[in-house]
Amino acid sequence: AQKVTQAQTEISVVEKEDVTLDCVYETRDTTYYLFWYKQPPSGELVFLIRRNSFDEQNEISGRYSWNFQKSTSSFNFTITASQVVDSAVYFCALTLKSSGDKLTFGTGTRLAVRP
Amino acid sequence: DSGVTQTPKHLITATGQRVTLRCSPRSGDLSVYWYQQSLDQGLQFLIQYYNGEERAKGNILERFSAQQFPDLHSELNLSSLELGDSALYFCASSVQGTTDTQYFGPGTRLTVL
Repeated sequence: AQKVTQAQTEISVVEKEDVTLDCVYETRDTTYYLFWYKQPPSGELVFLIRRNSFDEQNEISGRYSWNFQKSTSSFNFTITASQVVDSAVYFCALTLKSSGDKLTFGTGTRLAVRP
Repeated sequence: DSGVTQTPKHLITATGQRVTLRCSPRSGDLSVYWYQQSLDQGLQFLIQYYNGEERAKGNILERFSAQQFPDLHSELNLSSLELGDSALYFCASSVQGTTDTQYFGPGTRLTVL
């Protein structure tokens, strides 16, 4: 069985602040994949990043960065110098090689960036 | 734009009715997935098809069924609709499956009155 926990239900920041969204996952598998998706107010789900369990390198893409730590089963997402356009619900998700292709999602974190 | 298309965008219907949601995957993708997003259940995996065959089933009700056609588009059929079926239904596609990245369509918002 697998589980994803996003303990932060809502976060509100002022523009230009840095913000970190937490994601903790549970699995006994050694091969798994982690994802982050963004759901803006328009409703679509936008893919942000995919990470496999064997690659613990942190990744940076512009203002976005991800910190993957197997020791704490966490895959946290940081937005640097947040902007109003970052306002959205962010979902962390997990899929296991052993149990097929379904994504198990966390409950999401709603981020509001105020001007 | 993910390249995955879904129609219709919105659907309003009555309890007891039947509806069909349609999805066209990204060009070249063989796997199609259906997910339901509701306030109480969050995002839940329903079913996956790969190249026309059912590959995996999740929390899909018996009143719901899906299929993938030879041109790889997929349809999700919801019957005997109940108020609780009101939700956002997403289709996603990936190249093959096996943990490939899933790209999501814009969703179909179903309202059952």
